[in-house]
Amino acid sequence: DAKTTQPPSMDCAEGRAANLPCNHSTISGNEYVYWYRQIHSQGPQYIIHGLKNNETNEMASLIITEDRKSSTLILPHATLRDTAVYYCIVRVAEGQRGAGNKLTFGGGTRVLVKP
Amino acid sequence: DTGVSQDPRHKITKRGQNVTFRCDPISEHNRLYWYRQTLGQGPEFLTYFQNEAQLEKSRLLSDRFSAERPKGSFSTLEIQRTEQGDSAMYLCASSLLPGLAGGTNTGELFFGEGSRLTVL
Repeated sequence: DAKTTQPPSMDCAEGRAANLPCNHSTISGNEYVYWYRQIHSQGPQYIIHGLKNNETNEMASLIITEDRKSSTLILPHATLRDTAVYYCIVRVAEGQRGAGNKLTFGGGTRVLVKP
Repeated sequence: DTGVSQDPRHKITKRGQNVTFRCDPISEHNRLYWYRQTLGQGPEFLTYFQNEAQLEKSRLLSDRFSAERPKGSFSTLEIQRTEQGDSAMYLCASSLLPGLAGGTNTGELFFGEGSRLTVL
């Protein structure tokens, strides 16, 4: 799986949008961008994933640049409960040729939402 | 609760002792993963099963570690002759093979809350 680069930490004000960047300049054409988060003392939690189109669900939005070398996870209205480590991961999706069956985590971005 | 459950949540043991962790995946999930996480680091992959078959093992899984999933349901991770360096959170995750349960399944992993091991 391709490597990703994320800032180690960032602060965000409660109620404001949190924009989390991720660089994945060596991403391959069949690799998806996945985001997971890990709240303190809990296991990682799936947030969203995408290939090249922007994606939105009830938790977040994912914006992927046209060249797919970077992406941004957007938490539209951050709450204190969004304080967590956020992991950006690229992997070949299940069912695709060359698919790996595991997630390879980096160091993630530690997001602190402040009142 | 129908999520992934792990037992025990905390284990303190002395160096040299054996420990065993259990993971009960989400009931219909046919894939099960074990990860290890040390303080301040992201989770590291150890091994995974599809049904009862162990399909991949990391180099991190030394010969003191053994994982089983005998009936394709729950799994155990045993560490023999524990060392202080084994102190970590051991995470279990499960997923459903994509394509099953309708087109909305894309195989994302669901994690348990982990078993924290402290080796004194």
